[in-house]
Amino acid sequence: KNQVEQSPQSLIILEGKNCTLQCNYTVSPFSNLRWYKQDTGRGPVSLTIMTFSENTKSNGRYTATLDADTKQSSLHITASQLSDSASYICVVPNSGGYQKVTFGIGTKLQVIP
Amino acid sequence: TAGITQAPTSQILAAGRSMTLRCTQDMRHNAMYWYRQDLGLGLRLIHYSNTAGTTGKGEVPDGYSVSRANTDDFPLTLASAVPSQTSVYFCASSDPSGSGTDTQYFGPGTRLTVL
Repeated sequence: KNQVEQSPQSLIILEGKNCTLQCNYTVSPFSNLRWYKQDTGRGPVSLTIMTFSENTKSNGRYTATLDADTKQSSLHITASQLSDSASYICVVPNSGGYQKVTFGIGTKLQVIP
Repeated sequence: TAGITQAPTSQILAAGRSMTLRCTQDMRHNAMYWYRQDLGLGLRLIHYSNTAGTTGKGEVPDGYSVSRANTDDFPLTLASAVPSQTSVYFCASSDPSGSGTDTQYFGPGTRLTVL
């Protein structure tokens, strides 16, 4: 069964600081990995997608990395802002079709002034 | 554009009662999905639809049914609610490219409490 594990479960950082969130997955064969941001009381919103050929991708202050050999991805947030407070969810498609994906539990990030 | 709308925003339901959660999208996406999100668990797929007129079972389909009469609407029905169906329900849609890299767009969610 495909597993997606995220760490840490929660994180509190000061505004302006950087942080890195981790995602480990077990699915094989691998096609892509996506990071979502979910604000409290809202639905998830896609931040970025990493395909197997990509190592690094940036979206503003968010930078995702992928190591397909170790099956790990990270999401680095630079110069955090209060609006970055949210849950960050890692998602990997299963091999059984595009409809079936495995969502990680997420990392709940709180940025404090 | 509105994207995806869900109704109601929240609901308290007595066990044994039936309820339909509504989901409408205006992006003309072929694929739609229903997920539930529970504390300590990742989102889990309940049912999906690849295109109007077709539906499929996800990871946790028991106790739920769906229909897809047209492209825009994808209602989720609980025929006889049980307390374990207390959850936050998200509807999503995507425009599958066949490569598996399509983005799913999520609605705001419906918070359901079954007592």
